[in-house]
Amino acid sequence: ETGVTQTPRHLVMGMTNKKSLKCEQHLGHNAMYWYKQSAKKPLELMFVYNFKEQTENNSVPSRFSPECPNSSHLFLHLHTLQPEDSALYLCASSQPGPPPNEQFFGPGTRLTVL
Amino acid sequence: KNEVEQSPQNLTAQEGEFITINCSYSVGISALHWLQQHPGGGIVSLFMLSSGKKKHGRLIATINIQEKHSSLHITASHPRDSAVYICAVLDLGGSQGNLIFGKGTKLSVKP
Repeated sequence: ETGVTQTPRHLVMGMTNKKSLKCEQHLGHNAMYWYKQSAKKPLELMFVYNFKEQTENNSVPSRFSPECPNSSHLFLHLHTLQPEDSALYLCASSQPGPPPNEQFFGPGTRLTVL
Repeated sequence: KNEVEQSPQNLTAQEGEFITINCSYSVGISALHWLQQHPGGGIVSLFMLSSGKKKHGRLIATINIQEKHSSLHITASHPRDSAVYICAVLDLGGSQGNLIFGKGTKLSVKP
């Protein structure tokens, strides 16, 4: 399998549930990213990991908890979410910079919070 | 005002037409990306450029660093080009991952 994969592709959860999103990349990259895309809004960066270390947390609420056990896998643990957290969550990977490197995106997880 | 502005927001074209999508930005950048997002959400990176011009098949991307402007051109457009095209810039002062995204241009190509 090649590229960046994400599971599940669709997720519906209640506000009291705990769930996790998974991202896996088969490109040999060492940087991984979580993005959020809400309706009618631009993509927003959430977290960046370089060589398994978190290097960016873009003021994301603590109900979103990332985990990067190795350079190929990235998780986003979700708990006590709000309906406004419903969005498309995209994972991406790249080689870390500098210089800037092209990012490769997964297909996304469409999350609905009831 | 957004740091990355795209125009037009929506574009409808007939098959075969030449298409131009514009991106203007207000920050110093180290690179600019053009991305394509199909219905369903998946994003494909089309180009990353920091100067000049790049071409891939029917797609051409140009950037003018002095004017802080980039264009994406599609020649001989086809219905399969219908998608949202997103411009994203990597801020000079930001870290590697901190792309700033435009809102996207929704392109619909009619047969």
